[in-house]
Amino acid sequence: QLQLQESGPGLVKPSETLSITCSVSGGSINSPTYYWGWIRQPPGRGLDWIGIISYSGRTYYNPSLKSRVTISVDTSKNQFSLRLTSVTAADTAVYYCARQRRLTGGGTDFDCWGQGTLVTVSS
Amino acid sequence: DIQMTQSPSSVSASVGDRVTITCRASQVISRWLVWYQQKPGRAPKVLIYAATTLQSGVPSRFSGSGSGTDFTLTISSLQPEDFATYYCQQADSFPYTFGQGTKLDIK
Repeated sequence: QLQLQESGPGLVKPSETLSITCSVSGGSINSPTYYWGWIRQPPGRGLDWIGIISYSGRTYYNPSLKSRVTISVDTSKNQFSLRLTSVTAADTAVYYCARQRRLTGGGTDFDCWGQGTLVTVSS
Repeated sequence: DIQMTQSPSSVSASVGDRVTITCRASQVISRWLVWYQQKPGRAPKVLIYAATTLQSGVPSRFSGSGSGTDFTLTISSLQPEDFATYYCQQADSFPYTFGQGTKLDIK
């Protein structure tokens, strides 16, 4: 059974860089069938798509964050990571990693999610 | 970006009720629409993908319909475990976007 687990600091200071890693177990990240993504949810609010990466390193980012975000993959460790620079209080959120699958017949969805990790931006 | 608008934002209902949630896209997205259920403190869970296809393991009381710009999620007979927040997501083009959510609570 596939499992995803986020790990990272719970507290980041304003203007610094947020870094979170997602460890994948029960399956290989090294598959052309899937992308691996990050979604965040500010406290009490809705879901925001951050971006995705393939096993080969191809990325797609939300233009609203593109200048500050980097997603990378380490297939040897079966992990992928999120890096967000110059954070502000507006970046305070629960950050989820998730698997995006390509569906037979077309379409896609996020079918497997980590439990999420709360990152607070505060001095 | 494609804007996704859900209605209502919240709804109160009783066990056994039939509930319908709608999601409208700001432009045509064919059938590339996903419905998620989220319970407090938990990650979202896929209910319906490609607008109408029930995810494996999801009870048949959940159903989805629509194409183009207008979509609905219907729960035919509410069960206690269905009280949660529901989100739609367009999977047609980047950046993927979500609706603002519909909170379903007990009347």
